[in-house]
Amino acid sequence: EVQLVESGGALVQPGGSLRLSCEASGFELSRYYMTWVRQAPGKGLEWVANIKQDGAEKFYVDSVKGRFTISRDNAKNSVYLHMNSLRAEDTAVYYCARDTGTIDYWGQGTLVTVSS
Amino acid sequence: QSALTQPASVSGSPGQSITISCTGTSSGVGTYNLVSWYQQHPGVAPKLIIYEGNERPSGVSSRFSGSTSGNTASLTISGLQAEDEAHYYCCSYAGSSSYVFGTGTTVSVL
Repeated sequence: EVQLVESGGALVQPGGSLRLSCEASGFELSRYYMTWVRQAPGKGLEWVANIKQDGAEKFYVDSVKGRFTISRDNAKNSVYLHMNSLRAEDTAVYYCARDTGTIDYWGQGTLVTVSS
Repeated sequence: QSALTQPASVSGSPGQSITISCTGTSSGVGTYNLVSWYQQHPGVAPKLIIYEGNERPSGVSSRFSGSTSGNTASLTISGLQAEDEAHYYCCSYAGSSSYVFGTGTTVSVL
């Protein structure tokens, strides 16, 4: 069974940093792109970033370019989202998901709140 | 990338059919046959119910069907049931390994 478990969400001040983690099981992580999607409270879904199987290519939505970095460690079955210079508008539930050209399996999400 | 446009809400009575539209301009709906649909109940993660325009994952009810015409994708729910009351989002591959989601539609069962 495919499982994705996010962690690392927290309350952080504007301008602060946070690292989200996503532990994958039930499939061979190294064979798949992986994606992060976020959902602000009461709002819709927004694709944030994804990373190629070997980590060599990474893609971001314009609003996080230069502030967020996606990475992965296939040996640890994990994907990460490093978030710097956080803003109030980054407040959201962040979902880790498997990416096959379709975003198919999702984790349960982790809440990031940016507030002073 | 601009979000794909969906109606804010759609409602129907039990047993009826409803259709949710998803319209994009430069966001890939008409370019790639990679439109997916997700069902999201409050407080839980989205669930994939349609991929590649009209394919259903294993375990998803055949009451859900998808189609695409030009820049518009559509999700039809037939035989509407109370459990179908949820938020629905379309999503399209938008090129350069990016994705764009729809604005979301709330389905109400009257």
